[in-house]
Amino acid sequence: GAGVSQSPSNKVTEKGKDVELRCDPISGHTALYWYRQSLGQGLEFLIYFQGNSAPDKSGLPSDRFSAERTGGSVSTLTIQRTQQEDSAVYLCASRVGARTGELFFGEGSRLTVL
Amino acid sequence: DQQVKQNSPSLSVQEGRISILNCDYTNSMFDYFLWYKKYPAEGPTFLISISSIKDKNEDGRFTVFLNKSAKHLSLHIVPSQPGDSAVYFCAASANDGTDKLIFGTGTRLQVFP
Repeated sequence: GAGVSQSPSNKVTEKGKDVELRCDPISGHTALYWYRQSLGQGLEFLIYFQGNSAPDKSGLPSDRFSAERTGGSVSTLTIQRTQQEDSAVYLCASRVGARTGELFFGEGSRLTVL
Repeated sequence: DQQVKQNSPSLSVQEGRISILNCDYTNSMFDYFLWYKKYPAEGPTFLISISSIKDKNEDGRFTVFLNKSAKHLSLHIVPSQPGDSAVYFCAASANDGTDKLIFGTGTRLQVFP
């Protein structure tokens, strides 16, 4: 696709349910990042992938969060047993691979946990 | 531990004047810095970057200055336009074998007529 695509754009769920957020990066981009932005906060790093491997998972807030990437393309961020504090906009970004390359962001998935 | 800090949550500037957005960092390993701009309900978009081997990079109305000794960078927008009203994020990357890009908390710029 022309840009980074994320789905769903909006998700409302009940506390305790699991959610999956999907990111389809720009074709050919080997590096993929997940960030989240809580209300009034900055961009919090969650995890990044180089190809299918995730060298740095240090940003995941708890073991309820996991992410995978298959085929060097689509990535899924899964949040188990959602809590109200998980409510945020989850942003995915990708770039060609070079550390100094431009990072292209999707429009985000807004998650609301009731 | 907030490694990249933007201490001004908001800034209001009159159209035509200069906007100066500031960013401080703590990690001396950071050697590449970027500014991103974000409109509501959209993802951030790249604005301008600077490598630590430079102290200034200019692109049209946007100039980024880097002061390594002070661990400080700033984004200058001149002249400011109403369309520049957005949230601006500073970001930094270290040459430490990781590809992590750390963002600041953002500064909301409002340019009024």
